[in-house]
This record gives sequence, C-alpha cells and structure tokens, in this order.
Amino acid sequence: DIVVTQSPDSLAVSLGERATLKCRSSETVLYDFNKKSYLAWYQQKPKRPPRLLIYWASTRESGVPDRFSGSGSGTDFTLTINSLQAEDVAVYYCQQYFRTPYTFGQGTKVEIK
Amino acid sequence: QVQLQQSGPGLVKPSQTLSVTCVISGDSVSSNRAAWNWIRQSPSSGLEWLGRTYYRSGWYHEYSASVKGRMTIKSDTSNNQVSLHLSSVTPEDTAVYYCARDLSGVGDAWFDTWGQGTLVIVST
Repeated sequence: DIVVTQSPDSLAVSLGERATLKCRSSETVLYDFNKKSYLAWYQQKPKRPPRLLIYWASTRESGVPDRFSGSGSGTDFTLTINSLQAEDVAVYYCQQYFRTPYTFGQGTKVEIK
Repeated sequence: QVQLQQSGPGLVKPSQTLSVTCVISGDSVSSNRAAWNWIRQSPSSGLEWLGRTYYRSGWYHEYSASVKGRMTIKSDTSNNQVSLHLSSVTPEDTAVYYCARDLSGVGDAWFDTWGQGTLVIVST
C-alpha cells in the first residue's frame, strides 16, 4: 500500500497569515503517460464529512476560495492557505488515488494563533 | 446536484453484521462514470478506504485487504442505492462510515461527493 504522511500534525497561524501544509507519499503518484499526480486535498470540520478542495495535486474544485492552492509532484506536495480566515479552522487531509487501496494522510489540524 | 443519504443502526453487537445504506440522488448507481466507495473514520485508524463498487458493462467490486472476506458491497438499481455489510464485527470496527462517489470511469478518482456519515458503535 502507498503510505501517505502529513506534516505537521497541527499548525497555529494568525488570521490573515499563510498556512503551509505538507504531504509525502511513500512512492510516486505521478503517472508518466499524462504527467499528472494522483493526489487530492480535503478539508474536514467537526461533525462533517470531508470536503474536496484540490485534485490532480493543484486543481481547485469548483467553489473553493482561491486562497487555497496546491503544488508538488511525484512524492512531495504542499497545500497553502493564503490569508487564513476563521472559517478555515479544520483538519486537512491529503489522499492518493494512484491505485487502490486509496490511502489518506493522518491529517493536519489548523488553528488560529 | 448529487446527494448521498446514509442510514443504518448506530449500535451493533460484537460478532454480528454491520449494515449501512447509501441512497443516491442526482446520479445512477449503474453509471459508467462513477464508482461508489465506502470509507470509515476512527480516532485510532483515521480515514480508511474500505472498498468500492462500479458498473462497467458488468458489476465490479474491490475491497481493502483489511476487510476482505468480511465485507460485501451490494448495489440496488431499483432503489438507486448501495449498501455496506461488514460481518463478524469487533469493537475495532467502531467508526463513522461514509459512502462517497468517485468518477474513475472518466479517470477522475478523487471523492467529490460524500454522504453525511453514520456512526456505528460495536458494543454489547
């Protein structure tokens, strides 16, 4: 199975500042034939299901604010939240869909400093 | 707009079978574009993909090794729903269970739509 590891486990950021979240896969999730990385990011608030933010490592889902951006390729990925808002307090997960079993990272909890 | 509405018992006794149903609206369980996944979340294991079913000129099922042999996903085209059945449960199966759609039929295998989640507690 592909192991997905996130860092840090938690992060406290001041309102209006930038949050940088990391995700690493144990093997590449980049397909040579289409040059796409099979990596998604989700946001989860308490008592709610995860919400898709980013797919193909950097494509924002419709309706997601543009302060959320994804980058990276292969095995190393970053989710950046520019100008953190109070409503961004949540746990963020990355997930590989390169092959089954699909696997998730353990999550990064983002809080307000 | 696709919506997934889950239902199921909140409490199951050890050794019994856990069943959760996911009713699909806005899409078809037999769509050639979609797959219907089951994912669970617990404090000990985090988010764990359990398996999926999809129709591609015939029904296919995939299961995670962690539940293979205990888990069955059933598709009901008459009621446009999928259901999860997990047998011989133990307290370690206590979790919130989610159904979720992916569009792997067109190469888009992330989970774009989720059910609301069903908390299942395994206890006497």
